[in-house]
Formats: sequence, structure tokens, C-alpha cells
Amino acid sequence: QSVLTQPPSVSAAPGQKVTISCSGSNSNIGNNYVSWYQQLPGTAPKLLIYETTKRPSGIPDRFSASKSATSATLGITGLQTGDEADYYCGTWDSSLSAMVFGGGTKLTVL
Amino acid sequence: QLVESGGGLVQPGGSLRLSCAASGFTFKSYGMIWVRQAPGKGLEWLSYISPGSSIIYSADSLRGRFTISRDDAKNSLYLEMSSLSAEDTAVYYCARDRGYYSSGSYRDLWGQGTLVTVSS
Repeated sequence: QSVLTQPPSVSAAPGQKVTISCSGSNSNIGNNYVSWYQQLPGTAPKLLIYETTKRPSGIPDRFSASKSATSATLGITGLQTGDEADYYCGTWDSSLSAMVFGGGTKLTVL
Repeated sequence: QLVESGGGLVQPGGSLRLSCAASGFTFKSYGMIWVRQAPGKGLEWLSYISPGSSIIYSADSLRGRFTISRDDAKNSLYLEMSSLSAEDTAVYYCARDRGYYSSGSYRDLWGQGTLVTVSS
């Protein structure tokens, strides 16, 4: 059971927009930065978002993120078939003194 | 880049040492972590080590069986694993950690992973 809760799967058509939620608590998301990772099939995770809303260089602005209280959200616009992947949120949990990840969300671009 | 090695087939109850060779950046200046991913499952954080090894955190679920360490002179990160069971079968990744760990740091560089299979 992950400390951070993500929907197991989401889907949308090419060109559409999708959001992926990550729900936590005050001991993690509520008081810390959130990062997001994309894992394409058979590859290592890749950083998409850091410090809750920032994109590393090379990540297109189709990817965005936000946070409200104890929940974070990743948004992807202009969906492409190449966006099909597993997406994970992550942060620090001060009660556990541990880094934590969400359970992951599989994105299907129909 | 980061390159893991040391994975393979190990019998239940056995031990294994994973290595992560870093290049292209000043290794000693960065915190590092180990993460694993069991077949068909999500990411599981295992352990964090700060620059200079002054701060180490590990997942409670490991029950002290895994030990993270680093050798800055060799630009290498290690994970010593003992009392292995089938539940430890996974791809093990090392990653570079950025930011301050206890305010929500992030992993901006990952290795390709090394597979550990625990089976008799």
C-alpha cells in the first residue's frame, strides 16, 4: 500500500488532455515539494517535474503540474502515442523519514 | 551517467552487493538513492545517502537487511543486501538526488537498472 495514492490507470485520445492525481497527507505532499516521473515500457524512470511545478530542460510544456493542500496533479496536453507510459509522483514523508512514491498510473493514449 | 552492476541470480537467504558507477558529474557533491521495481509493480524507494555519507535513511520495510554506502574516491555507490527472499526479486536502480532530501528532493539522473532474481 503506497503512502501516495494515484489512480491505477487513465486514458484519453490523441490530442486530448489528461490529469493524473497524487493524494497524500500533511506529512508528505502537504509540506514538501513533489516530483513526477515518466517510465516508458522497459526503461528507467525519467524526471518530468521537480519542486512541484518546474520542468527540467528538454521536457515540453505539454507537461505541467500543480499542488493543492495534500494533493498534487500532473497534467498532459496534446497527448501523443509516445506519452503512453507509467507515471509516478514522489516526495518526502516527514513522519516516516522516508522518500515515498505513488503506486503509479498507467496512461493509455487510445 | 550511472551504471549499475552486480545483479544476478541468488539463492534465498543469500547476499549480494550491487554497485553503481557514476561518471560525468562531481559524484561526491550529490546525495544518491537506491530504488527497486518488482516485476509488474511500482517504484519502491530503498535508501538514501547524503554527500559525505553523514546522513543515511533506509526504508523500514527492509528491516536492516540492506546497507547503502559510497566511495567518493571511486565515484561509486553500493547496496549490500542480505537475507534475500523471493520478495526481493526486482530491478534495482540507483539515482542521483537533487535538492534537500527532507523537503522533497528529486531524482534527475537514473541508471539503467540491474536485475536481481532470488530463487533456488
